[in-house]
Amino acid sequence: GAVVSQHPSWVICKSGTSVKIECRSLDFQATTMFWYRQFPKQSLMLMATSNEGSKATYEQGVEKDKFLINHASLTLSTLTVTSAHPEDSSFYICSASQYTDTQYFGPGTRLTVL
Amino acid sequence: QQQVKQSPQSLIVQKGGISIINCAYENTAFDYFPWYQQFPGKGPALLIAIRPDVSEKKEGRFTISFNKSAKQFSLHIMDSQPGDSATYFCAASIGNAGNMLTFGGGTRLMVKP
Repeated sequence: GAVVSQHPSWVICKSGTSVKIECRSLDFQATTMFWYRQFPKQSLMLMATSNEGSKATYEQGVEKDKFLINHASLTLSTLTVTSAHPEDSSFYICSASQYTDTQYFGPGTRLTVL
Repeated sequence: QQQVKQSPQSLIVQKGGISIINCAYENTAFDYFPWYQQFPGKGPALLIAIRPDVSEKKEGRFTISFNKSAKQFSLHIMDSQPGDSATYFCAASIGNAGNMLTFGGGTRLMVKP
């Protein structure tokens, strides 16, 4: 299957700082990328959907000024958590799809905000 | 509003047994139903998926049963193995497989040796 990578795999930061997470589709062009967050022992909650070259569409309750998403190319999307706080600590997972094809998930990024 | 309800939350099965996980959905517009397997600290991986035009799909030890009238679908893992111990998520989407997924709550499966 197609491969999606995320970087970093884990990050620890101080409260008030910003953190950028990268999501890359390694062997296909991702026309759509999705960002999820997952708290321990819980399901995946969709945060936003991004199409290459367009502004991301955020789910209700997700602060778009806090979670900045950029999908600048067909192989890269970034999620920036601005002014992170301890409650933003979570497992962030991206997925990517090409046109109508299956969504492929990245390995996730564990964010810990101290 | 939880559009996809999954049960049980946790499941313990003996090695060689059958693991059964159930999901029910509310939105009749859903027409793509995948199952994902997730190991701790990893992203979900697609196991098997079904569309409403068939009532059953089998891939190896994994089978999806689909009941359109009841708006329910289930995952059966035959001959369960300790390596199958993971969290399983059902999901649903409208239209093609690349569209937004709505996930169930997840089932933590433990297969005892």
